[in-house]
Amino acid sequence: GQNIDQPTEMTATEGAIVQINCTYQTSGFNGLFWYQQHAGEAPTFLSYNVLDGLEEKGRFSSFLSRSKGYSYLLLKELQMKDSASYLCAVWNRDDKIIFGKGTRLHILP
Amino acid sequence: KAGVTQTPRYLIKTRGQQVTLSCSPISGHRSVSWYQQTPGQGLQFLFEYFSETQRNKGNFPGRFSGRQFSNSRSEMNVSTLELGDSALYLCASSLYGESADTQYFGPGTRLTVL
Repeated sequence: GQNIDQPTEMTATEGAIVQINCTYQTSGFNGLFWYQQHAGEAPTFLSYNVLDGLEEKGRFSSFLSRSKGYSYLLLKELQMKDSASYLCAVWNRDDKIIFGKGTRLHILP
Repeated sequence: KAGVTQTPRYLIKTRGQQVTLSCSPISGHRSVSWYQQTPGQGLQFLFEYFSETQRNKGNFPGRFSGRQFSNSRSEMNVSTLELGDSALYLCASSLYGESADTQYFGPGTRLTVL
């Protein structure tokens, strides 16, 4: 079956660093995405990983290990506006995108 | 460049009715995908259209159908509505619907079935 696991909720403090983990078991792998979704809004693209390693983009970085079926999203210098849900999604070999249920991140002042 | 637009934004229907949702992709994008988002199941893939052809389909019953027009605009239809169809329906467009393409989501249509 297709399965993507990520924590349901996390809490962190403004200015700190937080790591959101994602593990996946899918039929094949063509790439992994991270999306940010604020309450009541559409998901917006954050990152895309297809090769192992770390991709850095400003305050956000995403890491992938294909052999372990594992990814994480690292958010640095947290700001209140980072309070949102973060969705991990895998593009499988059937050209379907499978989404995790999302991690709701709460930022405390 | 205008983003993905969806109409209507909110809809209330009763069980047994049918509904049609519309999605206009970003200009130049030829792939449109539809998703259902619920608190319990998260985002689930419904289907993807490219050049007026359904190219991929998720695990939803036949009551869920769609189509794409020559201008890439897409519609999704749900017949014989059930209470469990209450959800946020999102469409996303991309250039070619390939794995490296970024998908851009519309604001969604919030469907409530009473």
